[in-house]
Amino acid sequence: IAGITQAPTSQILAAGRRMTLRCTQDMRHNAMYWYRQDLGLGLRLIHYSNTAGTTGKGEVPDGYSVSRANTDDFPLTLASAVPSQTSVYFCASRGLQETQYFGPGTRLLVL
Amino acid sequence: TQLLEQSPQFLSIQEGENLTVYCNSSSVFSSLQWYRQEPGEGPVLLVTVVTGGEVKKLKRLTFQFGDARKDSSLHITAAQTGDTGLYLCAGDVGSNYKLTFGKGTLLTVNP
Repeated sequence: IAGITQAPTSQILAAGRRMTLRCTQDMRHNAMYWYRQDLGLGLRLIHYSNTAGTTGKGEVPDGYSVSRANTDDFPLTLASAVPSQTSVYFCASRGLQETQYFGPGTRLLVL
Repeated sequence: TQLLEQSPQFLSIQEGENLTVYCNSSSVFSSLQWYRQEPGEGPVLLVTVVTGGEVKKLKRLTFQFGDARKDSSLHITAAQTGDTGLYLCAGDVGSNYKLTFGKGTLLTVNP
């Protein structure tokens, strides 16, 4: 069982470009989440999905969009990347007792 | 937005010492979780506390949930170099299952 996989592992992106971060889980969890982690700011929720077909906004949703076409996949799209979106992005899914399982992260640098 | 404040932000100690990390909020949480994150990886759940006053032990780690379910502490006895990492607390207010994370305590245990 792989748990949660994220791709790419890291990326350097020119400002203004479109980018999709991929997240796949094989645990059949209903809820999934996208966070960004920045030094001094901790983990902040970008978007979430409680079940396939539904999504919701987190604390810092601007500039990001998500979709949840099925249970396993929860991609995060940056429509037009800006330098302030340089961060480490973590995808997570929720299992029993609100436990969140995190992926290994995607390190994104926007120049 | 509920705020979870962790202290201290940084902690550097010698192997064998004891330490306590605190997580405080003005909000009441239905559950509170502690995660540990190592460099280049996603956070990994250590424990979930649910009941006010609850104490849980995980080997040399002792977790306590405040009676009012607004605060928590993590105590490590006889720290080891393998305890080095970022410790995060996260609270769930019970709606939408979204976690609010503290900014973390970066622990360094020196040999």
